[in-house]
Amino acid sequence: QITLKESGPTLVKPTQTLTLTCTFSGFSLSTSGVGVGWIRQPPGKALEWLALIYWDDDKRYSPSLKSRLTITKDTSEKQVVLTMTNMDPVDTATYYCAHRSGDLHFDYWGQGTLVTVSS
Amino acid sequence: QSVLTQPPSASGTPGQRVTISCSGSSSNIGGNYVYWYQQLPGTAPKLLIYRNNQRPSGVPDRFSGSKSGTSASLAISGLRSEDEADYYCAAWDDSLSSPYYVFGTGTKVTVL
Repeated sequence: QITLKESGPTLVKPTQTLTLTCTFSGFSLSTSGVGVGWIRQPPGKALEWLALIYWDDDKRYSPSLKSRLTITKDTSEKQVVLTMTNMDPVDTATYYCAHRSGDLHFDYWGQGTLVTVSS
Repeated sequence: QSVLTQPPSASGTPGQRVTISCSGSSSNIGGNYVYWYQQLPGTAPKLLIYRNNQRPSGVPDRFSGSKSGTSASLAISGLRSEDEADYYCAAWDDSLSSPYYVFGTGTKVTVL
């Protein structure tokens, strides 16, 4: 059974760096074709893809946020970490992590974590 | 800002067929697979369709996907009250040096 869970601060101040951790179980991030991605959703708005890390440590980023994002993995700890620098109130959103394997992009999702950016 | 355009809303009565469109370009839908996600109120999205028209295990065959050129569609036949949700299309985009994933603008389906 594949599960993912996001964790991190619920409130960050403008200009701070956000660090989110996705802890997963039920699969290995060293298996060929597997990846974990991050997606966010501002309140009442659409989904926005942020980043994806593959089993071979290849990484993909949203071009509009690339300069602010870093995604890393700890295969042994079964965690994927996303950092986003220079947070702004417009970054207030629910942040999800999700599993992908082969052509099944984001077939399992975490419950999401709401991050509010405010002074 | 999404490069995949969907109508903001769609509706139907129980039992009807509802179709949602997703318009893109040659760099995304035109050259890559299309995915569809369903997001029930207050919950995380759920993968509904992958590889244009394939359903993951457990997804009812009332949901079907299709693609033609730079556009795609999701059809819900035999509409049910539990289908009331937001629906998003998605695809990889190859327009830049590094591919990136893009979601559509989303469509809210209301069951009248």
